[in-house]
Amino acid sequence: AAGVIQSPRHLIKEKRETATLKCYPIPRHDTVYWYQQGPGQDPQFLISFYEKMQSDKGSIPDRFSAQQFSDYHSELNMSSLELGDSALYFCASSFGGGPEGEQYFGPGTRLTVT
Amino acid sequence: AQTVTQSQPEMSVQEAETVTLSCTYDTSESDYYLFWYKQPPSRQMILVIRQEAYKQQNATENRFSVNFQKAAKSFSLKISDSQLGDAAMYFCAYGETSGSRLTFGEGTQLTVNP
Repeated sequence: AAGVIQSPRHLIKEKRETATLKCYPIPRHDTVYWYQQGPGQDPQFLISFYEKMQSDKGSIPDRFSAQQFSDYHSELNMSSLELGDSALYFCASSFGGGPEGEQYFGPGTRLTVT
Repeated sequence: AQTVTQSQPEMSVQEAETVTLSCTYDTSESDYYLFWYKQPPSRQMILVIRQEAYKQQNATENRFSVNFQKAAKSFSLKISDSQLGDAAMYFCAYGETSGSRLTFGEGTQLTVNP
């Protein structure tokens, strides 16, 4: 079965640079979520989109922005990177209209800021 | 805001034995979803089991079962016949509705001893 695809899988950037993370949800899934997992931490919700509209916003820094495109893929744009942004970034998708509430996670993008 | 607490940072179990991981949560909602996710060393987030709060019957998935105590706001995971491949970090997660963000607990690192 198709899974959530994230690219790139690994990314190394320097402080103050910009990074773009991409997420391709499971086909027919209409909701995309972004989570940030710091070292030794649990995943923290950043932002979500349902049918290309922002549906919820968590503790996402103002330096970050995201959007969902017409083909339902999503991109997380991160500017003025800081050392503290080094983390594993997960994208998850779900079928928003379904009753189960299940979110399927991608493999994550490991961002290292040096 | 909803909170999820896992009071056991680490647990260990002998292969083929049974282990129970604890989770408590706080919410004022009457209908919600609860999940257990497994995160092996690959860091992939894998859904283990889910429970809808309106269902009184405890969910089971093969060797995995939950003890859902709604009044006590408790949601423990029992792993029977533990296998070496069960070794991972386990996260308890809460979702208010289908399509809403997940709030995770701090995680329990499970070690399976041969």
